[in-house]
Amino acid sequence: GIQVEQSPPDLILQEGANSTLRCNFSDSVNNLQWFHQNPWGQLINLFYIPSGTKQNGRLSATTVATERYSLLYISSSQTTDSGVYFCAPQASNDYKLSFGAGTTVTVRA
Amino acid sequence: DSGVTQTPKHLITATGQRVTLRCSPRSGDLSVYWYQQSLDQGLQFLIQYYNGEERAKGNILERFSAQQFPDLHSELNLSSLELGDSALYFCASSAAGSTDTQYFGPGTRLTVL
Repeated sequence: GIQVEQSPPDLILQEGANSTLRCNFSDSVNNLQWFHQNPWGQLINLFYIPSGTKQNGRLSATTVATERYSLLYISSSQTTDSGVYFCAPQASNDYKLSFGAGTTVTVRA
Repeated sequence: DSGVTQTPKHLITATGQRVTLRCSPRSGDLSVYWYQQSLDQGLQFLIQYYNGEERAKGNILERFSAQQFPDLHSELNLSSLELGDSALYFCASSAAGSTDTQYFGPGTRLTVL
């Protein structure tokens, strides 16, 4: 199956800082989603982004499918951004989303 | 709120028992997916149903089974429970196929004692 690597595994930020999370994947994809898992365990859909760039408030994401990576940008981070961020691509020859191990983000006030 | 509902939120049971987790997809969504999140395995896909039919199977144990009913809600049945089955179980739904955006429910936290 598709291999998914997320980096860095952990990120500690001061409130107001910007950051970039990276997701590398091993195969061509039909679907790629970014999720935020909050401290209560809920998985929140951030982006559906198999290719291109999207923005939603302070968050934006870019997927370069031909080079098999996706980036999630967090600008002006807030304490509510804390949690685990997952990248989940779906390989072109598969039905399922395959989740990476996640990046744990801690934003300090 | 994603629009996907799951019940119960928490479940505590003993080894050897059987439990049923329930999921209602977003209105209009035809596909339902089940995922398991555990500390050692991470988030893993279990099974997908589309309009009542099984569409894809992942790392689902033989002790586990699922179905999707005519009203499109789904149930995940876990039997002969073991300590290692303790995990957060998520249901997700999408409009049609797996290339659509998947929206996740709040999860059911299962603890097997």
